[in-house]
Amino acid sequence: EDKVVQSPLSLVVHEGDTVTLNCSYEVTNFRSLLWYKQEKKAPTFLFMLTSSGIEKKSGRLSSILDKKELFSILNITATQTGDSAVYLCARSGGSYIPTFGRGTSLIVHP
Amino acid sequence: EPEVTQTPSHQVTQMGQEVILRCVPISNHLYFYWYRQILGQKVEFLVSFYNNEISEKSEIFDDQFSVERPDGSNFTLKIRSTKLEDSAMYFCASSVLREKNIQYFGAGTRLSVL
Repeated sequence: EDKVVQSPLSLVVHEGDTVTLNCSYEVTNFRSLLWYKQEKKAPTFLFMLTSSGIEKKSGRLSSILDKKELFSILNITATQTGDSAVYLCARSGGSYIPTFGRGTSLIVHP
Repeated sequence: EPEVTQTPSHQVTQMGQEVILRCVPISNHLYFYWYRQILGQKVEFLVSFYNNEISEKSEIFDDQFSVERPDGSNFTLKIRSTKLEDSAMYFCASSVLREKNIQYFGAGTRLSVL
């Protein structure tokens, strides 16, 4: 059974749209929730969330964690073609090793 | 900006051969990791390394795998006798401290076992 479940699996939007990516996780020994962006190759770190209800923001991207409902969302406003990527959610537990979800593939059309 | 570098970017090998994948972690980082991603699947943890020894490993990291830090900068993953199912993208990552939890990934080595 997956410990990190992401939805949707894929998303196709047009430039300027706002998207919300979802991630739900298992609570066992939870330490943090991480978001990565994976373009052609390496996952690139976006956010680390440890506290509930505190939004983290970087430009057009923002993310928030709900530790009661065990989920996180990643929002991207005014999407651009350069946002096209697979967005990975990962949770870390007692060992600090992240367990990754399958990712959401985002395609932004011009 | 400092980055994790991996070589080669693509390695093709015959089944049963040994391969060594190389990584240069970010210089002030103390924890090093290997992950793999089979095409179309999740990123999976293989092993973490600290203070010249393995600190954790997954079930995937069996006896055919080994890691080494042969000098002050390189971190290697050796696969002794490759199998077809070892074909995957292998990512190296490093972090300042384990507790910091933010791991920085290299661009990966695509291993193709024929």
